Amino acid sequence: DAKTTQPPSMDCAEGRAANLPCNHSTISGNEYVYWYRQIHSQGPQYIIHGLKNNETNEMASLIITEDRKSSTLILPHATLRDTAVYYCIVRSWMDSSYKLIFGSGTRLLVRP
Amino acid sequence: GAVVSQHPSRVICKSGTSVKIECRSLDFQATTMFWYRQFPKQSLMLMATSNEGSKATYEQGVEKDKFLINHASLTLSTLTVTSAHPEDSSFYICSAPRQGGDYGYTFGSGTRLTVV
Repeated sequence: DAKTTQPPSMDCAEGRAANLPCNHSTISGNEYVYWYRQIHSQGPQYIIHGLKNNETNEMASLIITEDRKSSTLILPHATLRDTAVYYCIVRSWMDSSYKLIFGSGTRLLVRP
Repeated sequence: GAVVSQHPSRVICKSGTSVKIECRSLDFQATTMFWYRQFPKQSLMLMATSNEGSKATYEQGVEKDKFLINHASLTLSTLTVTSAHPEDSSFYICSAPRQGGDYGYTFGSGTRLTVV
């Protein structure tokens, strides 16, 4: 089962920051948090991942709380092309390998 | 870098026939490949994990005799849907861990299977 819970949908205005929350209260100390997004009928696209420190790359920022029980993905200046389903995933060790178990994700709609 | 090429992107087949889906790692060695299935308006569901040179491990509820996985080389993993039925119609996606220690995962572009 997925270790994450996310709101089913959110929206934001184009040009504004999109802040997508994720709860992962049962995360273990060595489990990474990953964010992917999926545009309709395409494979998931990697956004960012982190363990405990905040991370930033050209696409987004990842803010992880000190207790690691939740995180927020920030898209600083959302565009219409950012409309997608965003998945927050905790990478878990299962059956001798690390696996990404997807939850239900957040459908982000960026409004013009 | 770290591209996984998945083919075909779309396939339509008749009930009872078999369909093979290929995933190739183009610029890295994929010792492990994950196979997912996604039904409309649902999330990705992990079906199985394949490791080069060994038998695949299947998630609970996934029929290993129906979804045959082969991972004979470090750059190619295949999923064969045998004796396909309309309920097997779905979006199938593969994924491999990237090399280099960044612990990321690369996904294929997916295969839309329609069984008629």
